[in-house]
Amino acid sequence: GEEVAQTPKHLVRGEGQKAKLYCAPIKGHSYVFWYQQVLKNEFKFLISFQNENVFDETGMPKERFSAKCLPNSPCSLEIQATKLEDSAVYFCASSPRQGPSGANVLTFGAGSRLTVL
Amino acid sequence: AQKVTQAQTEISVVEKEDVTLDCVYETRDTTYYLFWYKQPPSGELVFLIRRNSFDEQNEISGRYSWNFQKSTSSFNFTITASQVVDSAVYFCALSEAIWASGTYKYIFGTGTRLKVLA
Repeated sequence: GEEVAQTPKHLVRGEGQKAKLYCAPIKGHSYVFWYQQVLKNEFKFLISFQNENVFDETGMPKERFSAKCLPNSPCSLEIQATKLEDSAVYFCASSPRQGPSGANVLTFGAGSRLTVL
Repeated sequence: AQKVTQAQTEISVVEKEDVTLDCVYETRDTTYYLFWYKQPPSGELVFLIRRNSFDEQNEISGRYSWNFQKSTSSFNFTITASQVVDSAVYFCALSEAIWASGTYKYIFGTGTRLKVLA
């Protein structure tokens, strides 16, 4: 499709529960990114993939966060044992392969709002 | 290291006024890319413009214009004759070329909330 599809739109979890978010990038896009946005402020980079390979995971809190992009499946972001501070909107974005003209435009999904109670 | 600074947290203007949103960036590389995105109250992110470091031409698109100045590491965004529908949070972002930095990620500023009052 021509849009980045994120599910679910809203997810509510009790503290300590697991949360899993999904992202279907635009068909043909090689790169997938996950960002965390807290209180409509800055976007914190979490992780990027080039196809199914992790490209940059410097933003991931490794203890509880994990992500995958497997062939023929939506990408996923999983949070084990959620904490109150994980409450945020998680955006997925995809872009085509970076070409000779440089960095391509990120197309964002609508976001998944995670509320941890 | 990459960094994007949007010093203006919130700006309020009256409809039809012009407004400029500031963006200052830091990068070690000579090849990089700058972006502006709009996030309206509905929450989605809307791409506005991309500029590469080799192209310092200013750009105008309708009521929007962008001023890129490498000498001051700034990429400012001006809305002329603002409208209520322009009310949103605007984000400036920076990305370095993979072959230069070895990575591929976009660093966003903290955003500027623009309120246009009727």
